[in-house]
Amino acid sequence: KAGVTQTPRYLIKTRGQQVTLSCSPISGHRSVSWYQQTPGQGLQFLFEYFSETQRNKGNFPGRFSGRQFSNSRSEMNVSTLELGDSALYLCASSSEGNEQFFGPGTRLTVL
Amino acid sequence: EDQVTQSPEALRLQEGESSSLNCSYTVSGLRGLFWYRQDPGKGPEFLFTLYSAGEEKEKERLKATLTKKESFLHITAPKPEDSATYLCAVLVYNFNKFYFGSGTKLNVKP
Repeated sequence: KAGVTQTPRYLIKTRGQQVTLSCSPISGHRSVSWYQQTPGQGLQFLFEYFSETQRNKGNFPGRFSGRQFSNSRSEMNVSTLELGDSALYLCASSSEGNEQFFGPGTRLTVL
Repeated sequence: EDQVTQSPEALRLQEGESSSLNCSYTVSGLRGLFWYRQDPGKGPEFLFTLYSAGEEKEKERLKATLTKKESFLHITAPKPEDSATYLCAVLVYNFNKFYFGSGTKLNVKP
C-alpha cells in the first residue's frame, strides 16, 4: 500500500506571495489533516478534512485554507506569505478512529 | 480542556541504558493513544496504538503501556539509532480530534 505523498517537497517563496501544497492520502483513508511544524512550536494543528468537509480547525489565521477533493486528495493554501510561515508542513491521513499516517512533509521557506 | 503533556523534553542516554518516556493526558473520551518517532526533517513514523488501560505493545527495544491517565514508552538497551524525537498523540471521541504532545527528544550516545 502506497504511503501518504506530499508535493512539492521543498518550496522557496517571498513575502506576500501565496502557495499551494498538495497531499495524497493512503488509499481508502477519508480523513486528511494538516500540521505546521517549526523548531520551537512542535506540531501545530491546522485543519482536518473528512469526506470533502472541514471537520476540525486549529487556531490559524484565515490566510491558511484548505480543501479536499472527492478522491480524498487535499490541498492547503497560504496567502500573503509572512516570514513566520516558514516551516515544515505535514499532511496525515487516517481511517476513522485509527492512527494517522504522515507524509514526508513540504519544507516551505519564505524570504 | 483536552491536553497532552510529554516528559522529559529531552533525554540523553548511554547506549544500553534503559529508560522511559512519559505521556500524560487529560481528555474527555479517549478513543486511542498513539506513539510516533520523528527524525529531523521527516514526517513522524507511526509506532504503536493503544486503546484501553492495561494494554501493552512491543516492537524491538520499545514497549508502550497505557493507564487511565498516562502512557509510557519504555526503551530497553537503546542504541544510537534510536535517537529521535518521540511524539505521543491522543484521539478523542469529541469530533474525532487528535491532540499531540510536544515530544521528547532522545539522544543515545555510543
